[in-house]
Amino acid sequence: QQQVKQSPQSLIVQKGGISIINCAYENTAFDYFPWYQQFPGKGPALLIAIRPDVSEKKEGRFTISFNKSAKQFSLHIMDSQPGDSATYFCAASSDRGSTLGRLYFGRGTQLTVWP
Amino acid sequence: DAGVTQSPTHLIKTRGQQVTLRCSPISGHKSVSWYQQVLGQGPQFIFQYYEKEERGRGNFPDRFSARQFPNYSSELNVNALLLGDSALYLCASSSIWGAATEAFFGQGTRLTVV
Repeated sequence: QQQVKQSPQSLIVQKGGISIINCAYENTAFDYFPWYQQFPGKGPALLIAIRPDVSEKKEGRFTISFNKSAKQFSLHIMDSQPGDSATYFCAASSDRGSTLGRLYFGRGTQLTVWP
Repeated sequence: DAGVTQSPTHLIKTRGQQVTLRCSPISGHKSVSWYQQVLGQGPQFIFQYYEKEERGRGNFPDRFSARQFPNYSSELNVNALLLGDSALYLCASSSIWGAATEAFFGQGTRLTVV
């Protein structure tokens, strides 16, 4: 079953707007939540990541909001630019147990930023 | 610095054939993981190797196998190819076993089964 659920499947935003992508998980053993950006023909590249001991992490125009009690996290892209047009994946991983280090990915969000 | 390199970049095979995909991790990285990314979906974990030993296996049939060499490079083999094996196969390397925080992905091998 899908361990990480991601929405929306696609997103169209005007240049300068805010892009918001949401993810939810069930496994409370997850303790690392990265976001990856993937351009066509390329492998996923780590964008930003968070641990559950903080509720928010910001790096430049990218912010992760994390709600541990709701088991949800989201990516906010401020001042979205056409160069941000890509597919974004949320993921989750655990640093313990038999599945340590495995990344469980959401289905992805195709972001298009119109100039 | 060279990143994770995968070869070949594209491959077309016929149903029933066998395929071998190759991955060279970042210099100094001892762990290699393989993921399958079907079009329109997120990557799915296949295998993880560390110090030449299998450390984890995802929910894939026995037609999928892998190995890691003394220089930490890795091969993924798929036998008896099915149309459904068509996907982008991604290799990720990390310096420590289980360190998802340090996973760096290659550009992938696009496999098409006809």
